[in-house]
Amino acid sequence: EAQVTQNPRYLITVTGKKLTVTCSQNMNHEYMSWYRQDPGLGLRQIYYSMNVEVTDKGDVPEGYKVSRKEKRNFPLILESPSPNQTSLYFCASSFAGGGSPLHFGNGTRLTVT
Amino acid sequence: QQQVKQSPQSLIVQKGGISIINCAYENTAFDYFPWYQQFPGKGPALLIAIRPDVSEKKEGRFTISFNKSAKQFSLHIMDSQPGDSATYFCATPGGSYIPTFGRGTSLIVHP
Repeated sequence: EAQVTQNPRYLITVTGKKLTVTCSQNMNHEYMSWYRQDPGLGLRQIYYSMNVEVTDKGDVPEGYKVSRKEKRNFPLILESPSPNQTSLYFCASSFAGGGSPLHFGNGTRLTVT
Repeated sequence: QQQVKQSPQSLIVQKGGISIINCAYENTAFDYFPWYQQFPGKGPALLIAIRPDVSEKKEGRFTISFNKSAKQFSLHIMDSQPGDSATYFCATPGGSYIPTFGRGTSLIVHP
């Protein structure tokens, strides 16, 4: 089954404790991205990647890091989480970037206290 | 930064009614205009999309209307059903290779 898998689904942590949210896709897509979803603000792009070892900032990259060492994986790293990063995070992949459908994971709800 | 303006923010309709959601964009890097549907606890999923070689595309009860000169496209849901209650997002690629999304429309369809 074609899917994007995120882990964990729920995460509660404390300020400053490094964390990683994993994302994996099995569709051999070149394009992958991370979004955060906040009430009233919709989906805002954090980082995206057009291929292995190629990443770029989205609209809200501050406080986040990503890496793309393998085509299927695109982890999101918060090296020093802060309460304003409490949000719902989605990973997505697509065959041809903005010219084709995005496939989303089921989300990771992060709470930073 | 690409601006994508989606309206209304929320919409309540009666079962059987027509739901209309609008999206306006500034520019686009790709000729591909999708609408995504999101249910609580799930990620968004592609509902319907259009390429601007046509002005309208219909799939069942869902229709996209596209106006290239006005840089607008809209989603029409005919005979709205309670199962259509969800959040809907439009998206455009803008200058990057990954879409920029509108802020979403929360649709509630009353039985």
